Amino acid sequence: DTAVSQTPKYLVTQMGNDKSIKCEQNLGHDTMYWYKQDSKKFLKIMFSYNNKELIINETVPNRFSPKSPDKAHLNLHINSLELGDSAVYFCASSHGGPNNSPLHFGNGTRLTVT
Amino acid sequence: GENVEQHPSTLSVQEGDSAVIKCTYSDSASNYFPWYKQELGKGPQLIIDIRSNVGEKKDQRIAVTLNKTAKHFSLHITETQPEDSAVYFCAGGVGTGTYKYIFGTGTRLKVLA
Repeated sequence: DTAVSQTPKYLVTQMGNDKSIKCEQNLGHDTMYWYKQDSKKFLKIMFSYNNKELIINETVPNRFSPKSPDKAHLNLHINSLELGDSAVYFCASSHGGPNNSPLHFGNGTRLTVT
Repeated sequence: GENVEQHPSTLSVQEGDSAVIKCTYSDSASNYFPWYKQELGKGPQLIIDIRSNVGEKKDQRIAVTLNKTAKHFSLHITETQPEDSAVYFCAGGVGTGTYKYIFGTGTRLKVLA
């Protein structure tokens, strides 16, 4: 029973392509996130959704468009992929914000742009 | 905005010794401090957390201490074992009305058998 699951696990694509990463959580949480982890392991928040509403958008290029069809799903679509987009993308969820519960992470999607 | 600094970036210890990882935060409104362990090919997993109304918390071989005045918090692992080898992240969170957890830069811990 995977709590936060993301697909695909690996994604290799060429510059200029458009790709999507999907995330689902079965924890009943109301807040979901996308984090980007670069080659130096830095974890940087990209987006946060609470009850399907965008709460945080951390100066991410508008080539990145998150979509939350319901509380249990948060997908990430990336247009016109660039070399610098290569990273591991983690989906996470929590019950409310830091006042309430910790983050639960998926196992990541390793995106390689060639 | 909030910034969390973490030291050291790498740490090697002999099996059985203790390991200490330190973090400092900048936002005095931060009131929640989790620690995560990330193993190869996996997402970060929560190992222990502490809230600002508590100075210390312990769970078996792992303990976390918080000094609110100095804005420091630390992770202590005693009797280290090879399976403790991983990347550890501290994080700071500001509660009520925000949903932002800011992570430290990570510490790669290697426990030598």
